[in-house]
Amino acid sequence: EDKVVQSPLSLVVHEGDTVTLNCSYEVTNFRSLLWYKQEKKAPTFLFMLTSSGIEKKSGRLSSILDKKELFSILNITATQTGDSAVYLCAVGQTSYDKVIFGPGTSLSVIP
Amino acid sequence: DSGVTQTPKHLITATGQRVTLRCSPRSGDLSVYWYQQSLDQGLQFLIQYYNGEERAKGNILERFSAQQFPDLHSELNLSSLELGDSALYFCASSDSYKNQPQHFGDGTRLSIL
Repeated sequence: EDKVVQSPLSLVVHEGDTVTLNCSYEVTNFRSLLWYKQEKKAPTFLFMLTSSGIEKKSGRLSSILDKKELFSILNITATQTGDSAVYLCAVGQTSYDKVIFGPGTSLSVIP
Repeated sequence: DSGVTQTPKHLITATGQRVTLRCSPRSGDLSVYWYQQSLDQGLQFLIQYYNGEERAKGNILERFSAQQFPDLHSELNLSSLELGDSALYFCASSDSYKNQPQHFGDGTRLSIL
C-alpha cells in the first residue's frame, strides 16, 4: 500500500532554532514530492521536488529529495513564531495522477 | 488568496441528508482536486477532474460523487450523510493533471449532527 510518513509528528522549538522535518515514502510510480504549509486554513505550496540531490531554497526554508533512499527533508533556519504551522509532505504519482499526503508535522515556535 | 473559491464555508446538517459543496478553481487552472481532512485521518485525496473528465480516484465513498462543469467549476455531492463524514473538505486546483503545485481553497467545514 502506498504511504507517506512524516516525523516528528509534533515539534516545539524556541525562536531562532533550526529545525529539520522528515518525510519518507513508499509510493509506486513516483512523479514528484511536494511540501505544503498549513496554518489555520488552506495548505499553501512551498516546494516541489522531482530530482534527487538538488536543493530548493526559499528564504529560510530549504528542501532536498533523495530518490534512492525515498525521503525528503525540509529545513527551517532561524525559526520565527510565524513559522508555527503544520507542514505537509505529499507525493504525486504518474500513472494514477493521485497525490498522497502524509499526516503532517505540527511545528510550534515559542518566543 | 489562492484564487480558489469554495462555498459554503460552513455547513451543518443531520445524518441521512445530502449536501453539495462547490469549488471555483483559479483562473486558467483546468484540474480540480477534492480532499477530506479529519483529525484522525489527515488529508485524504478523494477525486480529481481535468477539463471536465474524471482523472483519478482516491478513497472516495460510493455515497460521494463529483463532477466538473464546462465552466470548470466543480461540485462534490455527499449523500446519506453519517456522523463520520464530519470533516473539512478542501478543493485544490492546478494548471495540469501532473501533480503540479496545487492551490487550495479555504475549505468547507461540514458538521453532521
